[in-house]
Amino acid sequence: DIQLTQSPSSLSASVGDRVTITCRASQTINNFLHWYQQKPGKAPILLIYSASSLQTGVPSRFSGSGFGTDFTLTISSLQSEDFAIYYCQQYSDWPLYSFGQGTKLDIK
Amino acid sequence: QITLNESGPTQVKPTQTLTLTCTFSGFSLSSSGMGVGWIRQPPGKALEWLALIYWDDEKRYSPSLKSRLTITRATPRNQVVLTMTNMDPVDTATYYCAKRTVAGQFDYWGQGTPVTVSS
Repeated sequence: DIQLTQSPSSLSASVGDRVTITCRASQTINNFLHWYQQKPGKAPILLIYSASSLQTGVPSRFSGSGFGTDFTLTISSLQSEDFAIYYCQQYSDWPLYSFGQGTKLDIK
Repeated sequence: QITLNESGPTQVKPTQTLTLTCTFSGFSLSSSGMGVGWIRQPPGKALEWLALIYWDDEKRYSPSLKSRLTITRATPRNQVVLTMTNMDPVDTATYYCAKRTVAGQFDYWGQGTPVTVSS
């Protein structure tokens, strides 16, 4: 099975900070890696697909990079509405779909 | 406008079978590359993919839950149904359905439906 490991598991930051979250896959997944934001009591929202493509309607301060096994999500200048939990998700031959354990981003 | 809505019981007893329905609009599940999947989230825990049905009626399941899951299209064709047998308290979670698109991402989600397993 392909495992996704996110780091850090939690992160404290301030408005205006630049933040980077990492997702590492246990095997290569090319660029089939996607990022979601989830706020309490809400469904996840797709931010980045195919490692680096910005989903329509998502602010440009969000960006993604990576290929193969190592991927990053960057928020260039944190806004108050960005404090949430972030998940990566992969799509591969087996087990088809899986999510990372999440990174909780809260206010310092 | 694309929407998905989950419906089903909010509580089931251990050993019972859970049946959830996802009613969607604004897209066609017959379009190449499309799929509708189910994902769950236990309280305070991470997301877990459960099952997915593709535009061509292919079905895929999480290996760890495969023996307990069935995903089907319902009539009318804008509904997808998930059944999970032999429910246990560890299956207590919010269950989401989501639209899957070409690179395997889930670009639209329902609001989620909470399910508690308790006697």
